[in-house]
Amino acid sequence: GESVGLHLPTLSVQEGDNSIINCAYSNSASDYFIWYKQESGKGPQFIIDIRSNMDKRQGQRVTVLLNKTVKHLSLQIAATQPGDSAVYFCAERSGGSYIPTFGRGTSLIVHP
Amino acid sequence: DGGITQSPKYLFRKEGQNVTLSCEQNLNHDAMYWYRQDPGQGLRLIYYSQIVNDFQKGDIAEGYSVSREKKESFPLTVTSAQKNPTAFYLCASSIMSNQPQHFGDGTRLSIL
Repeated sequence: GESVGLHLPTLSVQEGDNSIINCAYSNSASDYFIWYKQESGKGPQFIIDIRSNMDKRQGQRVTVLLNKTVKHLSLQIAATQPGDSAVYFCAERSGGSYIPTFGRGTSLIVHP
Repeated sequence: DGGITQSPKYLFRKEGQNVTLSCEQNLNHDAMYWYRQDPGQGLRLIYYSQIVNDFQKGDIAEGYSVSREKKESFPLTVTSAQKNPTAFYLCASSIMSNQPQHFGDGTRLSIL
């Protein structure tokens, strides 16, 4: 399928390394944050979420960190694998709104 | 398996033609959404619906129309008024505002 990663920020890592993908947001009222993974030609897939009353949340091989002071969100992927190659989006919601705001995404390339 | 099904996967439109993209979900979600994705950009909201028989315009609704006659279905029509329709279209649904959206695998629309 066609790539959705054209002209996106790109992070290249070696297989087995840890990856850190960053996201800045601007709305101080945002209280719910989500990370998605999008493989070429497919729809975004939910990875992990975090609410504003938390600073850190861990899943399987992934950790999300939230720094509300500087409005920064990061996704850490441990022991990155070639199957992790994709575009990663952050999204934020505020005040119970149904509508999230999506970032542009970061293209992660994992070299075997 | 529960999920969101978009069809067709690829669609071609002739000048002056309206085309309809299908989106069906069996997740029993109340809210459904349509997004447009262009290379190197984040998702842009076209229309959304929180309940049956109700929908609201998103950020780029011009040239598009929707209907929500059934909870599980939210078709999108790309009309001839949309002068730049070539894009990847994504449908999503969610159970409520503080839960993540689930996405279909998209429809790629091109102009003949």
